[in-house]
Amino acid sequence: QSALTQPASVSGSPGQSITISCTGTSSDVGGYNYVSWYQQHPGKAPKLIIYEVSNRPSGVPDRFSGSRSGNTASLTISGLQAEDEADYYCSSYTSSSTPYVFGTGTRVTVL
Amino acid sequence: EVQLVESGGGLVKPGGSLRLSCAASGFTFSSYTMNWVRQAPGKGLEWVSTITSSSSYIYYADSVKGRFTISRDNAKNSLYLQMNSLRAEDTAVYYCARAIIEMTYDYWGQGTLVTVSS
Repeated sequence: QSALTQPASVSGSPGQSITISCTGTSSDVGGYNYVSWYQQHPGKAPKLIIYEVSNRPSGVPDRFSGSRSGNTASLTISGLQAEDEADYYCSSYTSSSTPYVFGTGTRVTVL
Repeated sequence: EVQLVESGGGLVKPGGSLRLSCAASGFTFSSYTMNWVRQAPGKGLEWVSTITSSSSYIYYADSVKGRFTISRDNAKNSLYLQMNSLRAEDTAVYYCARAIIEMTYDYWGQGTLVTVSS
Protein backbone atom coordinates (compact mmCIF):
# COMPACT_ATOMS: atom_id res chain seq x y z
CA GLN A 1 0.00 0.00 0.00
CA SER A 2 1.60 3.29 -1.09
CA ALA A 3 1.42 6.37 1.08
CA LEU A 4 -1.26 8.93 0.34
CA THR A 5 0.07 11.89 -1.67
CA GLN A 6 0.44 15.29 -0.03
CA PRO A 7 2.33 18.40 -1.19
CA ALA A 8 5.73 18.61 0.45
CA SER A 9 5.24 22.16 1.63
CA VAL A 10 2.62 24.89 1.85
CA SER A 11 3.14 28.41 3.14
CA GLY A 12 1.03 31.41 3.99
CA SER A 13 1.07 34.69 5.85
CA PRO A 14 -0.58 35.19 9.23
CA GLY A 15 -4.33 35.57 8.85
CA GLN A 16 -4.45 33.88 5.45
CA SER A 17 -6.09 30.56 4.65
CA ILE A 18 -4.20 27.56 3.30
CA THR A 19 -5.35 24.16 2.08
CA ILE A 20 -3.43 20.89 2.16
CA SER A 21 -4.52 18.12 -0.18
CA CYS A 22 -4.32 14.38 0.42
CA THR A 23 -4.80 12.26 -2.67
CA GLY A 24 -5.57 8.57 -2.57
CA THR A 25 -7.84 6.18 -4.40
CA SER A 26 -11.34 4.77 -4.20
CA SER A 27 -9.85 2.01 -2.03
CA ASP A 28 -8.92 4.42 0.72
CA VAL A 29 -9.68 8.16 0.85
CA GLY A 30 -12.54 7.97 -1.62
CA GLY A 31 -14.09 4.81 -0.27
CA TYR A 32 -14.30 5.28 3.47
CA ASN A 33 -15.09 8.05 5.92
CA TYR A 34 -12.07 7.12 8.03
CA VAL A 35 -9.84 10.00 6.99
CA SER A 36 -7.92 11.75 9.77
CA TRP A 37 -5.43 14.59 9.98
CA TYR A 38 -2.58 15.02 12.44
CA GLN A 39 -0.43 18.00 13.37
CA GLN A 40 3.16 17.42 14.49
CA HIS A 41 5.50 20.02 15.88
CA PRO A 42 9.26 19.28 15.83
CA GLY A 43 10.28 16.76 18.44
CA LYS A 44 6.70 16.16 19.55
CA ALA A 45 4.18 13.39 19.11
CA PRO A 46 1.46 13.88 16.49
CA LYS A 47 -1.83 15.42 17.56
CA LEU A 48 -5.23 14.49 16.12
CA ILE A 49 -6.95 17.55 14.61
CA ILE A 50 -9.57 16.07 12.24
CA TYR A 51 -11.24 12.66 12.16
CA GLU A 52 -13.91 11.02 9.98
CA VAL A 53 -13.12 13.49 7.17
CA SER A 54 -14.46 16.63 8.81
CA ASN A 55 -14.94 16.19 12.57
CA ARG A 56 -12.87 18.15 15.06
CA PRO A 57 -11.93 16.71 18.47
CA SER A 58 -12.79 18.91 21.41
CA GLY A 59 -10.17 21.55 22.02
CA VAL A 60 -9.12 21.87 18.38
CA PRO A 61 -9.76 25.41 17.10
CA ASP A 62 -12.46 25.80 14.45
CA ARG A 63 -9.81 27.37 12.22
CA PHE A 64 -9.07 23.78 11.23
CA SER A 65 -11.56 22.14 8.88
CA GLY A 66 -11.60 19.00 6.76
CA SER A 67 -13.41 18.03 3.59
CA ARG A 68 -13.30 15.53 0.74
CA SER A 69 -14.03 15.49 -2.96
CA GLY A 70 -13.74 12.16 -4.70
CA ASN A 71 -10.42 10.56 -3.84
CA THR A 72 -8.88 13.73 -2.42
CA ALA A 73 -9.26 14.93 1.15
CA SER A 74 -8.32 18.45 2.19
CA LEU A 75 -7.35 20.23 5.38
CA THR A 76 -7.97 23.96 5.48
CA ILE A 77 -6.42 26.24 8.07
CA SER A 78 -8.20 29.60 8.20
CA GLY A 79 -6.72 32.64 9.89
CA LEU A 80 -3.24 31.14 9.88
CA GLN A 81 -1.29 31.68 13.09
CA ALA A 82 2.39 31.34 13.93
CA GLU A 83 1.72 28.29 16.09
CA ASP A 84 0.23 26.49 13.09
CA GLU A 85 3.74 26.09 11.67
CA ALA A 86 4.20 22.31 11.81
CA ASP A 87 4.07 19.12 9.78
CA TYR A 88 0.63 17.78 8.84
CA TYR A 89 -0.25 14.21 7.95
CA CYS A 90 -3.43 12.72 6.57
CA SER A 91 -4.34 9.09 7.11
CA SER A 92 -6.97 6.69 5.92
CA TYR A 93 -8.36 3.22 6.34
CA THR A 94 -7.80 1.17 3.20
CA SER A 95 -9.23 -2.01 1.75
CA SER A 96 -5.78 -3.31 0.90
CA SER A 97 -4.01 -6.09 2.78
CA THR A 98 -2.50 -3.52 5.13
CA PRO A 99 -5.52 -1.61 6.36
CA TYR A 100 -4.03 1.71 7.40
CA VAL A 101 -1.93 4.28 5.57
CA PHE A 102 -0.52 7.73 6.28
CA GLY A 103 0.09 10.53 3.83
CA THR A 104 3.55 11.68 2.84
CA GLY A 105 3.31 14.76 5.06
CA THR A 106 3.21 18.52 4.44
CA ARG A 107 5.41 21.14 6.07
CA VAL A 108 3.40 24.31 6.76
CA THR A 109 5.43 27.50 7.00
CA VAL A 110 3.99 30.75 8.34
CA LEU A 111 5.75 33.58 6.54
CA GLU B 1 -5.51 11.80 32.51
CA VAL B 2 -4.71 9.46 29.64
CA GLN B 3 -1.03 8.56 29.50
CA LEU B 4 0.94 6.30 27.20
CA VAL B 5 4.60 5.75 28.06
CA GLU B 6 6.86 3.79 25.73
CA SER B 7 10.08 2.12 26.80
CA GLY B 8 12.58 -0.43 25.53
CA GLY B 9 14.22 1.48 22.72
CA GLY B 10 17.96 1.60 22.21
CA LEU B 11 20.87 0.67 19.98
CA VAL B 12 20.84 -2.80 18.45
CA LYS B 13 22.92 -4.47 15.75
CA PRO B 14 21.41 -5.55 12.43
CA GLY B 15 19.75 -8.92 12.83
CA GLY B 16 19.17 -8.32 16.52
CA SER B 17 15.99 -8.16 18.55
CA LEU B 18 14.28 -5.64 20.81
CA ARG B 19 11.03 -5.56 22.74
CA LEU B 20 9.16 -2.30 23.12
CA SER B 21 6.59 -1.72 25.84
CA CYS B 22 3.86 0.86 26.22
CA ALA B 23 2.37 1.42 29.67
CA ALA B 24 -1.14 2.84 29.58
CA SER B 25 -3.01 4.66 32.33
CA GLY B 26 -6.00 6.95 32.81
CA PHE B 27 -8.46 4.92 30.73
CA THR B 28 -9.93 1.43 30.40
CA PHE B 29 -7.10 -0.09 28.39
CA SER B 30 -8.96 -3.32 27.66
CA SER B 31 -11.64 -1.44 25.71
CA TYR B 32 -9.43 0.09 23.06
CA THR B 33 -7.62 -0.96 19.91
CA MET B 34 -3.93 -0.07 20.23
CA ASN B 35 -1.34 0.68 17.61
CA TRP B 36 2.34 1.19 16.89
CA VAL B 37 3.42 3.96 14.51
CA ARG B 38 7.02 4.79 13.66
CA GLN B 39 8.90 7.72 12.22
CA ALA B 40 12.37 7.40 10.75
CA PRO B 41 14.68 10.39 11.36
CA GLY B 42 13.54 13.30 9.21
CA LYS B 43 10.83 11.20 7.57
CA GLY B 44 7.06 10.85 7.74
CA LEU B 45 4.78 8.70 9.85
CA GLU B 46 4.48 5.00 9.05
CA TRP B 47 1.77 2.77 10.49
CA VAL B 48 3.38 -0.42 11.85
CA SER B 49 0.83 -2.61 13.61
CA THR B 50 -2.62 -2.74 15.21
CA ILE B 51 -4.16 -5.03 17.83
CA THR B 52 -7.83 -4.96 18.78
CA SER B 53 -9.03 -4.78 22.36
CA SER B 54 -9.20 -8.52 23.00
CA SER B 55 -6.36 -9.39 20.62
CA SER B 56 -8.86 -10.96 18.23
CA TYR B 57 -7.50 -9.10 15.23
CA ILE B 58 -3.91 -8.17 14.50
CA TYR B 59 -2.54 -6.33 11.49
CA TYR B 60 0.98 -5.53 10.29
CA ALA B 61 2.54 -3.33 7.66
CA ASP B 62 4.16 -5.33 4.87
CA SER B 63 7.53 -3.86 5.86
CA VAL B 64 7.49 -5.63 9.25
CA LYS B 65 5.30 -8.67 8.62
CA GLY B 66 7.01 -11.86 9.75
CA ARG B 67 9.58 -9.98 11.83
CA PHE B 68 7.52 -7.97 14.34
CA THR B 69 4.89 -9.26 16.76
CA ILE B 70 2.38 -7.05 18.53
CA SER B 71 0.77 -8.19 21.77
CA ARG B 72 -0.99 -6.82 24.81
CA ASP B 73 -1.63 -7.70 28.43
CA ASN B 74 -4.90 -6.13 29.50
CA ALA B 75 -4.32 -7.13 33.12
CA LYS B 76 -1.13 -5.08 33.11
CA ASN B 77 -2.46 -2.26 30.91
CA SER B 78 0.46 -2.80 28.60
CA LEU B 79 1.13 -3.00 24.87
CA TYR B 80 4.21 -4.66 23.40
CA LEU B 81 6.11 -4.87 20.13
CA GLN B 82 8.60 -7.70 19.73
CA MET B 83 10.99 -6.78 16.94
CA ASN B 84 13.22 -9.49 15.46
CA SER B 85 15.64 -9.56 12.51
CA LEU B 86 16.06 -5.83 12.78
CA ARG B 87 17.36 -3.87 9.81
CA ALA B 88 18.89 -0.44 9.42
CA GLU B 89 15.63 0.77 7.88
CA ASP B 90 13.80 -0.04 11.11
CA THR B 91 15.65 2.86 12.77
CA ALA B 92 12.91 5.21 13.95
CA VAL B 93 11.04 6.69 16.86
CA TYR B 94 8.29 4.23 17.75
CA TYR B 95 5.04 5.62 19.11
CA CYS B 96 2.18 3.74 20.69
CA ALA B 97 -1.22 5.26 20.05
CA ARG B 98 -4.80 4.65 21.15
CA ALA B 99 -7.45 4.32 18.47
CA ILE B 100 -11.02 5.52 19.00
CA ILE B 101 -12.14 4.41 15.55
CA GLU B 102 -10.40 3.24 12.40
CA MET B 103 -7.13 5.13 11.83
CA THR B 104 -8.13 7.74 14.43
CA TYR B 105 -5.48 7.98 17.11
CA ASP B 106 -6.54 10.36 19.85
CA TYR B 107 -3.68 9.79 22.28
CA TRP B 108 0.00 9.15 21.57
CA GLY B 109 2.99 8.36 23.72
CA GLN B 110 6.16 10.41 23.63
CA GLY B 111 7.95 7.80 21.56
CA THR B 112 11.02 5.62 22.04
CA LEU B 113 14.00 5.67 19.68
CA VAL B 114 15.23 2.46 18.10
CA THR B 115 18.57 2.63 16.31
CA VAL B 116 19.74 -0.33 14.25
CA SER B 117 23.44 0.01 13.47
CA SER B 118 26.63 -1.98 13.62
